[in-house]
Amino acid sequence: TQLLEQSPQFLSIQEGENLTVYCNSSSVFSSLQWYRQEPGEGPVLLVTVVTGGEVKKLKRLTFQFGDARKDSSLHITAAQPGDTGLYLCAGVDQNFVFGPGTRLSVLP
Amino acid sequence: ETGVTQSPTHLIKTRGQQVTLRCSSQSGHNTVSWYQQALGQGPQFIFQYYREEENGRGNFPPRFSGLQFPNYSSELNVNALELDDSALYLCASSYPGTGGETQYFGPGTRLLVL
Repeated sequence: TQLLEQSPQFLSIQEGENLTVYCNSSSVFSSLQWYRQEPGEGPVLLVTVVTGGEVKKLKRLTFQFGDARKDSSLHITAAQPGDTGLYLCAGVDQNFVFGPGTRLSVLP
Repeated sequence: ETGVTQSPTHLIKTRGQQVTLRCSSQSGHNTVSWYQQALGQGPQFIFQYYREEENGRGNFPPRFSGLQFPNYSSELNVNALELDDSALYLCASSYPGTGGETQYFGPGTRLLVL
């Protein structure tokens, strides 16, 4: 069974701070995706990383895929209240395997 | 706005009842996946339909079943509801491509089983 772990489970920070959240697995995935989910809505895809060691940037968000394609990190620079939400990673193989998420709260 | 809609938005049922949840995918998306998201958890894969045939199933019992129709709509049926079935049910549509398949999620149906 493929499992994804995410850490931390909860994170509460002040506006303007930087943060990093992690996604780890014992399995190799063909690609890995990061989503953000807000209350009452479905997850929205932020990025897909495919190649081991790949780094992608989306404005203030930086995503990295581990060399062995088993882990990933999401770094947010100068967090804003609009970044508040549940951040989910999903391993892509035959199907999608989601981690439990990191619930981020950015206080103004 | 993903173009994926789900109905109803909320539903309350009692244990032992049956429920049907509906999803309308983006036009042209011939793949739909259903997920169960318990409170405080990530989505768990239930099953996927591709061109109206089941194309993969997660660790869910047979009382969870589905249908996909030619008009890009689909259904999730759950029989003999149990208290633990209380969750947010999400559908996601996609069009298979090469590497990094993109799923578009609907807003979900929140089911409460009493």
